[in-house]
Amino acid sequence: DTAVSQTPKYLVTQMGNDKSIKCEQNLGHDTMYWYKQDSKKFLKIMFSYNNKELIINETVPNRFSPKSPDKAHLNLHINSLELGDSAVYFCASSQGSGSGNTIYFGEGSWLTVV
Amino acid sequence: GQNIDQPTEMTATEGAIVQINCTYQTSGFNGLFWYQQHAGEAPTFLSYNVLDGLEEKGRFSSFLSRSKGYSYLLLKELQMKDSASYLCALDSGNTPLVFGKGTRLSVIA
Repeated sequence: DTAVSQTPKYLVTQMGNDKSIKCEQNLGHDTMYWYKQDSKKFLKIMFSYNNKELIINETVPNRFSPKSPDKAHLNLHINSLELGDSAVYFCASSQGSGSGNTIYFGEGSWLTVV
Repeated sequence: GQNIDQPTEMTATEGAIVQINCTYQTSGFNGLFWYQQHAGEAPTFLSYNVLDGLEEKGRFSSFLSRSKGYSYLLLKELQMKDSASYLCALDSGNTPLVFGKGTRLSVIA
């Protein structure tokens, strides 16, 4: 009964490849996110979706394209992977996008680009 | 813009009390979250402060001073399992949480 689940958990791939990370939440939340945590453990927002609609897109290269087929899913596709994309990517969700909404994180996807 | 400052690392002894500070500057502020993150795991929610003062939740308490842009997380009766990173995060309204860089706490015997 995992609340926020993402796959794969580990991904090792070569530079230039295209890869996707899938995320699903069964909490009935309206808002979903992608956060990136780099080697220095800094957790930074990438995207935020509310009811399938993009509401926040931080300064992320357009090689990163999120897709939300429904409000329970938010997948992340990455084109032309670069070494600097190596990081842990956390999917998360919250009841809403306003103040006071606790964010619940998935277990993370460890991406290593070689 | 927003700026969050936390100590990078702290060490404390099992059974002791430790206080992890977080100072912030932000143009909009609704509240402050604390999350715990064990190595290799996801961050998990600990507390949320909106009003000034101390909120106690078992061995963990969180304090907020809005006027000073300051919060702390107080951990009592430290256990080895409390070794983790502790992240404070700003809730500025209709934007996703902005996280500090986290404080890595090591609990030693």
